[in-house]
Amino acid sequence: SQTIHQWPATLVQPVGSPLSLECTVEGTSNPNLYWYRQAAGRGLQLLFYSVGIGQISSEVPQNLSASRPQDRQFILSSKKLLLSDSGFYLCAWDRDSGFDEQFFGPGTRLTVL
Amino acid sequence: GDSVTQMEGPVTLSEEAFLTINCTYTATGYPSLFWYVQYPGEGLQLLLKATKADDKGSNKGFEATYRKETTSFHLEKGSVQVSDSAVYFCALSSGGSYIPTFGRGTSLIVHP
Repeated sequence: SQTIHQWPATLVQPVGSPLSLECTVEGTSNPNLYWYRQAAGRGLQLLFYSVGIGQISSEVPQNLSASRPQDRQFILSSKKLLLSDSGFYLCAWDRDSGFDEQFFGPGTRLTVL
Repeated sequence: GDSVTQMEGPVTLSEEAFLTINCTYTATGYPSLFWYVQYPGEGLQLLLKATKADDKGSNKGFEATYRKETTSFHLEKGSVQVSDSAVYFCALSSGGSYIPTFGRGTSLIVHP
């Protein structure tokens, strides 16, 4: 069966510090991968998606970046965090059909102080 | 482009009350429709789905019917429990795009 992992689960970082969040998927190959952010009490904001190794599409201009160094690994990074980067970050994957459901990780709660 | 509209929340109900959360969509072609649930502090998980018109998805007492004529996929449950308190997201996925479209989410609060 497939599983998706995210770490860390929670993170408190000062403004201006770097960020690295990691997501890995097990039990499937060549998944589409996604990073979403939820601000408190808000819906999902798609940040990045990837359809293959090294292929990243950005949905929103911001100080975040994403990378996919391996088929089932997706990393969200920042060189300098802003207060507005605080939120709940979710990684998700789906199959390459365009009609299937997404599978979400447990999320990372990021607080920037 | 594709879009999903959900009713504003929060929806506050007493235990054993009937639940309806409205969802309407616009999409090109024939999308698949989904309801996801997010419990506090967790990621989303699929609650139910329907892949073609008139299909009914069901799970854990929740149901939703794919209505193409009204472009709707309303979520219903006959008797809610306190444990159903969560945020519910309606979503669609169409073959023309890798990116699914989510509604803004509806918070459900069930009181004992």
